[in-house]
Amino acid sequence: TQLLEQSPQFLSIQEGENLTVYCNSSSVFSSLQWYRQEPGEGPVLLVTVVTGGEVKKLKRLTFQFGDARKDSSLHITAAQPGDTGLYLCAGDDSGGYNKLIFGAGTRLAVHP
Amino acid sequence: DTGVSQDPRHKITKRGQNVTFRCDPISEHNRLYWYRQTLGQGPEFLTYFQNEAQLEKSRLLSDRFSAERPKGSFSTLEIQRTEQGDSAMYLCASSQSGSTDTQYFGPGTRLTVL
Repeated sequence: TQLLEQSPQFLSIQEGENLTVYCNSSSVFSSLQWYRQEPGEGPVLLVTVVTGGEVKKLKRLTFQFGDARKDSSLHITAAQPGDTGLYLCAGDDSGGYNKLIFGAGTRLAVHP
Repeated sequence: DTGVSQDPRHKITKRGQNVTFRCDPISEHNRLYWYRQTLGQGPEFLTYFQNEAQLEKSRLLSDRFSAERPKGSFSTLEIQRTEQGDSAMYLCASSQSGSTDTQYFGPGTRLTVL
């Protein structure tokens, strides 16, 4: 069974701080996606990483896919209150139907 | 708006009642997925359609659950004889088969079973 573990579960920081959240698995994924979810809403896609070792930047957010395609990280520089939300990583299970296996998420709160 | 839409956004029902949810995917997407998300967890896969064919069902989808996508466009998810344990957010996602097959999610339907 493929599992994705996210850490930390909760993160409460002050505006301007940097942070990193992690997504780890013992399984290899053909691709991995990061989503952000607001309360009562569906997940919104931030990025898809496909190649081992890949680094993608989205403004203050930097995403990295591990060389072995088993893990990923999300780094936020100079966090802002608007970054508050649930960050979910999801792996493509490669079973042919591309169903996603989600981690439980990291709930981030950025205080002014 | 060309995103994924779901209806209703919220549904409160009594135990034992039947409920039906609708999902309208992004128009050119041939793949449609249903997921369920309970409090404090990430979404869990329920079922998958490619065009009108239902190709995979999770064991989470008991006999009380049925999903259809009759014309390969919108989809419905029906839960019969609802139980309190069915209370969750039901999410629909769509994608176009291709190199990355990125899934785009709708806003979800929040079900509360009393």
